[in-house]
Amino acid sequence: DADVTQTPRNRITKTGKRIMLECSQTKGHDRMYWYRQDPGLGLQLIYYSFDVKDINKGEISDGYSVSRQAQAKFSLSLESAIPNQTALYFCATSTAGGAVDTQYFGPGTRLTVL
Amino acid sequence: DAKTTQPPSMDCAEGRAANLPCNHSTISGNEYVYWYRQIHSQGPQYIIHGLKNNETNEMASLIITEDRKSSTLILPHATLRDTAVYYCIVSVGGSNYKLTFGKGTLLTVNP
Repeated sequence: DADVTQTPRNRITKTGKRIMLECSQTKGHDRMYWYRQDPGLGLQLIYYSFDVKDINKGEISDGYSVSRQAQAKFSLSLESAIPNQTALYFCATSTAGGAVDTQYFGPGTRLTVL
Repeated sequence: DAKTTQPPSMDCAEGRAANLPCNHSTISGNEYVYWYRQIHSQGPQYIIHGLKNNETNEMASLIITEDRKSSTLILPHATLRDTAVYYCIVSVGGSNYKLTFGKGTLLTVNP
């Protein structure tokens, strides 16, 4: 089984709908992240959480919200989806502390907003 | 975080070494160099990281210049499965650990 899972893997929705993307991990990591990727571009950080009680905005948080339900679960919501939120969304995890740690990414969710 | 500059694309013959350059001329003393890769819209995969010294693991080698203003990722024997976008990232560690992804280098390994 994959260490970082994302559901759904693909989603098509309409403008104005509320959408939730879910991420679960079995790695036991404290830190979790949500990124989006537009075609031909690198990843942009939306939100990140260093532990269950810690939520931080990333570069492009407008239009998004998150919930860290447990150490292993981190959800991303689009309250009212718009077409320019059509993108590939990735969840990632990493360990806490230390000078260096690495991020482990999920398989991604392809979201299309019509 | 410091910014990086990478060529948009490179080609390599299968079985040959692939050398991917990265410039990070404004890197700070406490910033590490990380390399990740992304194979066709899959989640990015960590490859290697370094601070000052050259590093090697089962996937690749990382060569950092003495002034730390540039680095090279080396895949010693590239295979077709190494075709991917490779991202060079500089970032501090610890509590401020965040990755900033640029556009990376698309490495195409040809048969």
